[in-house]
Amino acid sequence: GAGVSQSPSNKVTEKGKDVELRCDPISGHTALYWYRQSLGQGLEFLIYFQGNSAPDKSGLPSDRFSAERTGGSVSTLTIQRTQQEDSAVYLCASSFQAGPSYEQYFGPGTRLTVT
Amino acid sequence: ILNVEQSPQSLHVQEGDSTNFTCSFPSSNFYALHWYRWETAKSPEALFVMTLNGDEKKKGRISATLNTKEGYSYLYIKGSQPEDSATYLCAHNAGNNRKLIWGLGTSLAVNP
Repeated sequence: GAGVSQSPSNKVTEKGKDVELRCDPISGHTALYWYRQSLGQGLEFLIYFQGNSAPDKSGLPSDRFSAERTGGSVSTLTIQRTQQEDSAVYLCASSFQAGPSYEQYFGPGTRLTVT
Repeated sequence: ILNVEQSPQSLHVQEGDSTNFTCSFPSSNFYALHWYRWETAKSPEALFVMTLNGDEKKKGRISATLNTKEGYSYLYIKGSQPEDSATYLCAHNAGNNRKLIWGLGTSLAVNP
């Protein structure tokens, strides 16, 4: 079956512009996670969604970052007024349910470069 | 240990060599330990999810062990092949908050 897909695969934007990153999770997966990996850093949790519950936004680094998940499926991560430190690979993952014992299935990522 | 630490940071081995790496994590409030393989230009792929102290899991030539009391997990690769070249990540969950804390990974290069 289809895996997690993300678009765009690469995005170059100018400092100060807004960007939207999209994630299509595996059908039937109720949990969706956003991570980012900056150069030389580990995977950094940003936000997760579980079904209709309120999302856990505790990893979002600033109020310039927001995410939504429509209809329990597709998610969009929005970064407003991008800064150079936002340059990273943004990864989306989904799992059958949220919980520590469920493996996560990752998309190919979006490489964001802020110039 | 407050965070997830992986060692070594990188490793170069010859085809056919067996190798292992370590993931260390806080031993309190353990819920789960994940291992993922991340090949260049691909998505991270789950290898194992381990939840019980003493767990041993195996997938082909790759196996993992778990010691939750002392806070470490070992990943073993028997008879390394060039296609095993990847970054191996571990991630730990220390509470019922559904978030994984990730290590920086061990980068493995297998020379043919």
